Amino acid sequence: EAGVTQFPSHSVIEKGQTVTLRCDPISGHDNLYWYRRVMGKEIKFLLHFVKESKQDESGMPNNRFLAERTGGTYSTLKVQPAELEDSGVYFCASSPEQGAGTEAFFGQGTRLTVV
Amino acid sequence: GENVEQHPSTLSVQEGDSAVIKCTYSDSASNYFPWYKQELGKGPQLIIDIRSNVGEKKDQRIAVTLNKTAKHFSLHITETQPEDSAVYFCAASNTGRRALTFGSGTRLQVQP
Repeated sequence: EAGVTQFPSHSVIEKGQTVTLRCDPISGHDNLYWYRRVMGKEIKFLLHFVKESKQDESGMPNNRFLAERTGGTYSTLKVQPAELEDSGVYFCASSPEQGAGTEAFFGQGTRLTVV
Repeated sequence: GENVEQHPSTLSVQEGDSAVIKCTYSDSASNYFPWYKQELGKGPQLIIDIRSNVGEKKDQRIAVTLNKTAKHFSLHITETQPEDSAVYFCAASNTGRRALTFGSGTRLQVQP
């Protein structure tokens, strides 16, 4: 069974440009999460999808970030326009069940560098 | 909201020694506490978890303890091996808000 996959693995863009990150969750997982780790600090929550609906987007830093999950399958996270402080590693995770205490499976991450 | 603090930030041990990483949390509603291991170039991988109705859980060389009263939980790795070298993250979540709140990570280095 394929795990959570993220594309691209690395991205270097200039300040002001747009970048779109993609996440393919494990097949059948309704729950999809985006997290990011900035400058070696803690991994911070961005948002949570249940199927195609945004369950919790309280972690989204500002309106330059837009996440979508059309059809409840893969998800994209767009940053437009990118700023220097957006640099970091963006992780996607998925889990199959609604209840708490369910393992979240993480992708390998996308390392975003804004110069 | 929940706040998770993790210590130490770096830990170096000799192969065969034990390693202990400690975390505290602030939200008494938190009831799920996973530990993740992240190796270079990979995403975090769950190594063990504990729920609030359990005080201790073991899986071979790894154990986790939870003290709900004091709001802290710890990861214990015995007989460490070089392949245990990685960054370890503790996290917490609850039934109402399933998103994980992570600690800042501990870089464990096991010296052969």
